[in-house]
Amino acid sequence: GAGVSQSPSNKVTEKGKDVELRCDPISGHTALYWYRQSLGQGLEFLIYFQGNSAPDKSGLPSDRFSAERTGGSVSTLTIQRTQQEDSAVYLCASRDRGSSEAFFGQGTRLTVV
Amino acid sequence: DAKTTQPPSMDCAEGRAANLPCNHSTISGNEYVYWYRQIHSQGPQYIIHGLKNNETNEMASLIITEDRKSSTLILPHATLRDTAVYYCIVAFSGGYNKLIFGAGTRLAVHP
Repeated sequence: GAGVSQSPSNKVTEKGKDVELRCDPISGHTALYWYRQSLGQGLEFLIYFQGNSAPDKSGLPSDRFSAERTGGSVSTLTIQRTQQEDSAVYLCASRDRGSSEAFFGQGTRLTVV
Repeated sequence: DAKTTQPPSMDCAEGRAANLPCNHSTISGNEYVYWYRQIHSQGPQYIIHGLKNNETNEMASLIITEDRKSSTLILPHATLRDTAVYYCIVAFSGGYNKLIFGAGTRLAVHP
């Protein structure tokens, strides 16, 4: 079956522009995670959606970052007024409530020039 | 912040067992130990998890000490394809399963 899908796979944007990154989780998965991974670094937690509960936004680095999850399915991570330090791979993962395994997408590589 | 401590890097000869340690001295009674790995340029992949008993699956074995303050992931016969960064994570299971990744251990398997 289909895994976690992220789009676009690559995005180059100019400093100061807004970008939207999309994540299509595995159908039926109630949990959805966003992470950021800078070159050569580990995964930095950004936000976690679990069912209908309020999302855990504790990892968002600034108010330029926001995320939505519509209808409990697709999620969009929005970065406003992008900065060069936002350049990284943004990874999305989803998990079924009854499972212990989170499935990751291949990520979106964001480059801010 | 990550609640685990792992060595930054390890080496292993192909065909030998790779034993990756993890310290999680502040683990709470309801938290599980999870292991994921990330092969270069790919998203992380789940390996195994456990609460207090040792666990084994087709990929690896997980040994958790009796006091649960540390654990070891064992790849019994490492191959070159096991070269990756291995992450040890402590998290609740079930409904609220927030996964916080640390720096991990970079395992290099060599011929």
